[in-house]
Amino acid sequence: DAGVTQSPTHLIKTRGQQVTLRCSPKSGHDTVSWYQQALGQGPQFIFQYYEEEERQRGNFPDRFSGHQFPNYSSELNVNALWLGDSALYLCASSFSGRYGEAFFGQGTRLTVV
Amino acid sequence: KQEVTQIPAALSVPEGENLVLNCSFTDSAIYNLQWFRQDPGKGLTSLLLIQSSQREQTSGRLNASLDKSSGRSTLYIAASQPGDSATYLCAVSGDSWGKLQFGAGTQVVVTP
Repeated sequence: DAGVTQSPTHLIKTRGQQVTLRCSPKSGHDTVSWYQQALGQGPQFIFQYYEEEERQRGNFPDRFSGHQFPNYSSELNVNALWLGDSALYLCASSFSGRYGEAFFGQGTRLTVV
Repeated sequence: KQEVTQIPAALSVPEGENLVLNCSFTDSAIYNLQWFRQDPGKGLTSLLLIQSSQREQTSGRLNASLDKSSGRSTLYIAASQPGDSATYLCAVSGDSWGKLQFGAGTQVVVTP
């Protein structure tokens, strides 16, 4: 059983560009959450998708947007990148009917130059 | 607003010693609490999940306790090994949807 998979693992972008990160949830999971982790800090919640709708959102600007597909996979889009967006982006999946236990992917390391 | 704190930020112990990692949270109305392990530059590995109605959970050498009324959880790792070196994060969820509020983590080094 494949766990949560994210792609790509690393990427480098220039300020002002746009980026799309992808996540495939663990088999049987229907909820996907995205987190941003700066160096030396705990992950910060960006937003959560369930039934192809954004269900909850953290304190992130509208430059951060997402999508969930019918197969439960998800994308995170960030527009107008700036240096402060450099971070490890983590995807977590969970099953809506099971205690909210979250499983994480290996992350995407985004560097903005 | 929920705040999660982990003290100490870093810890170094000799191999074989027991590890005690602390996590505190300000709002006791949590749904569950999870402990994670993170290796440098990697994702998070779930270690233990404690539901709000539980007092503790155990898995192998790991034991986590939860005291909701005092806003504390403790992760015990028995007989530490160099392979236990990593950053340990605790996170609380306020509902079953799974949105997590994390602490900053405790970086653990186990020396041979």
